[in-house]
Amino acid sequence: EPEVTQTPSHQVTQMGQEVILRCVPISNHLYFYWYRQILGQKVEFLVSFYNNEISEKSEIFDDQFSVERPDGSNFTLKIRSTKLEDSAMYFCASSELGRQGPNNEQFFGPGTRLTVL
Amino acid sequence: DAKTTQPPSMDCAEGRAANLPCNHSTISGNEYVYWYRQIHSQGPQYIIHGLKNNETNEMASLIITEDRKSSTLILPHATLRDTAVYYCIVLENNNDMRFGAGTRLTVKP
Repeated sequence: EPEVTQTPSHQVTQMGQEVILRCVPISNHLYFYWYRQILGQKVEFLVSFYNNEISEKSEIFDDQFSVERPDGSNFTLKIRSTKLEDSAMYFCASSELGRQGPNNEQFFGPGTRLTVL
Repeated sequence: DAKTTQPPSMDCAEGRAANLPCNHSTISGNEYVYWYRQIHSQGPQYIIHGLKNNETNEMASLIITEDRKSSTLILPHATLRDTAVYYCIVLENNNDMRFGAGTRLTVKP
């Protein structure tokens, strides 16, 4: 069964450093998402992406965040200058369609645990 | 913010049906109800979704009331591996999911 994959599984970085989290969505999916979950808190939507541009973003997704689909398979989240409060699990998801209805369910990856020291 | 209300926790005996309620009294006519679950710290897992008709798949059944203001997710024969946080989500105009706190279901032997 196809699945979303994410690398690395755990990333440790120093405050102020740039990090890139990588995701490989399911191959026939056209819509891509990033979510984060701070330890012990709820899953929070960050951004959605379709046709090489951002569709929606939350208030969390400020100028230090960016997303990119550099090739036909990868989808990346870059945090330009990490802060302590960026420590969280980051989940990538993809869906075949982007509107409500059939075939728009999102499939999530296993996540990348980001630790900012 | 999430448009749904769920009990914070529930217990269920192994082998019995788990019935997880969700209130979504402000749901609009074209908004679907989605259910996901998160086992420990894994990525959320899609379970089922529906608009107004009851739905069933290999994982669960979804019962939506006629006025669509509430729904129930049914796991017909809960196992220990079904222990997880279950999220009921009503999507707004786009496909961006806003998770609430969910219901922590504990299946006990």
